[in-house]
Amino acid sequence: DGGITQSPKYLFRKEGQNVTLSCEQNLNHDAMYWYRQDPGQGLRLIYYSQIVNDFQKGDIAEGYSVSREKKESFPLTVTSAQKNPTAFYLCASSPGHNPMNEQYFGPGTRLTVT
Amino acid sequence: LAKTTQPISMDSYEGQEVNITCSHNNIATNDYITWYQQFPSQGPRFIIQGYKTKVTNEVASLFIPADRKSSTLSLPRVSLSDTAVYYCLVGADSNYQLIWGAGTKLIIKP
Repeated sequence: DGGITQSPKYLFRKEGQNVTLSCEQNLNHDAMYWYRQDPGQGLRLIYYSQIVNDFQKGDIAEGYSVSREKKESFPLTVTSAQKNPTAFYLCASSPGHNPMNEQYFGPGTRLTVT
Repeated sequence: LAKTTQPISMDSYEGQEVNITCSHNNIATNDYITWYQQFPSQGPRFIIQGYKTKVTNEVASLFIPADRKSSTLSLPRVSLSDTAVYYCLVGADSNYQLIWGAGTKLIIKP
């Protein structure tokens, strides 16, 4: 059963703590993405990776970090430097290296920082 | 960069055809237009993609006029399960400047 998984579904943290969101895919896709979604807004790209051990900043990378040590995994760390971290975080993957290829999304992680 | 504008919300009734328009006045020559559907607390799901004229698949049609400054997603004979948020995405196959619209919340009534 191929797909993309994110865990946990809900995450609560205190301000000043770093937190890592998990994203795993078994679709054998080359490209992976992290988006942030806020109420009433479209998706905003945080980071993307086209191949293992390589990743690029998206539009809103400040306060976030990623790694791509395995093709299947693309974890996102929300650091204490992120000024407004409370949001819905979506991970996606797509085949090949064309960013307009169909993106397959995980179910998302809702992060609340207080 | 292209900026996308969509209506915030729309209502319709079961069995009707629904058309949702996205405006993208500054679309670049090599940009494509893609539409996604999102249910609450889920990730978006691909619906359809096009470059110009008309594209049709088993669930929707996408109309793009010659100037490509807008696009219209057409959902034939909607049902209650089509209630969702619909996003248009504009971007090229050569870079990662992906411009997502703010989404149109479509509510289908019985």
